[in-house]
Amino acid sequence: QVQLQESGPGLVKPSETLSLTCTVSGGSINNYYWSWIRQPPGKGLEWIGYIYYSGSTNYSPSLKSRVTISVDTSRNQFSLKLNSVTAADTAVYYCARFGNKGAAAWGQGTLVTVSS
Amino acid sequence: DILMTQTPLSLSVTPGQPASISCKSSQSLLHSDGKTYLYWYLQKPGQSPQLLIYEVSNRFSGVPDRFSGSGSGTDFTLKISRVEAEDVGVYYCMQSIQLPLTFGGGTKVEIK
Repeated sequence: QVQLQESGPGLVKPSETLSLTCTVSGGSINNYYWSWIRQPPGKGLEWIGYIYYSGSTNYSPSLKSRVTISVDTSRNQFSLKLNSVTAADTAVYYCARFGNKGAAAWGQGTLVTVSS
Repeated sequence: DILMTQTPLSLSVTPGQPASISCKSSQSLLHSDGKTYLYWYLQKPGQSPQLLIYEVSNRFSGVPDRFSGSGSGTDFTLKISRVEAEDVGVYYCMQSIQLPLTFGGGTKVEIK
């Protein structure tokens, strides 16, 4: 059964870059869409973007100017970079695998706090 | 962006009683391929969201049959035939017919 695990700093300073990695185990990164989704404390879910295993990407228009998602198929990992962060970017960040049945696998989530 | 509107915001249910959550989309979720791209997720307290229903009415693997989804076009419903204690959490609908993917605001289900 596929498992996803987010990793990265839990604290980022304002104006700096948030960087997270999602490691996929128990299955190949090939042939799926891999997404980042975030959830501000006490709020709902927001889709950030996705990357196909081949490297094609699509981002939320509201974050597009600040987001980069990349994939490393040799390591079965994909990554998120969000630059110029502010307190509004404080959230639990989830990675998820999208297939033909929707997002059937999610990571446990990692809280990233933006604060000086 | 497609706006997903869920009602009610919260629901308090006696165990064994039914529950129903509505989700309305600002545009039709029916694709030209004949599929309707509406999904339901449950986020249990302290956990990641988990997939319950895909394409309106298909239960994901391992999801109890007390969960059912219905609807078409822009109006959708998730029903729990007999709520159990383990069903507490926040339910979200999501559309994937058009990018960006968008979620409903969530419906919190509690047990009386």
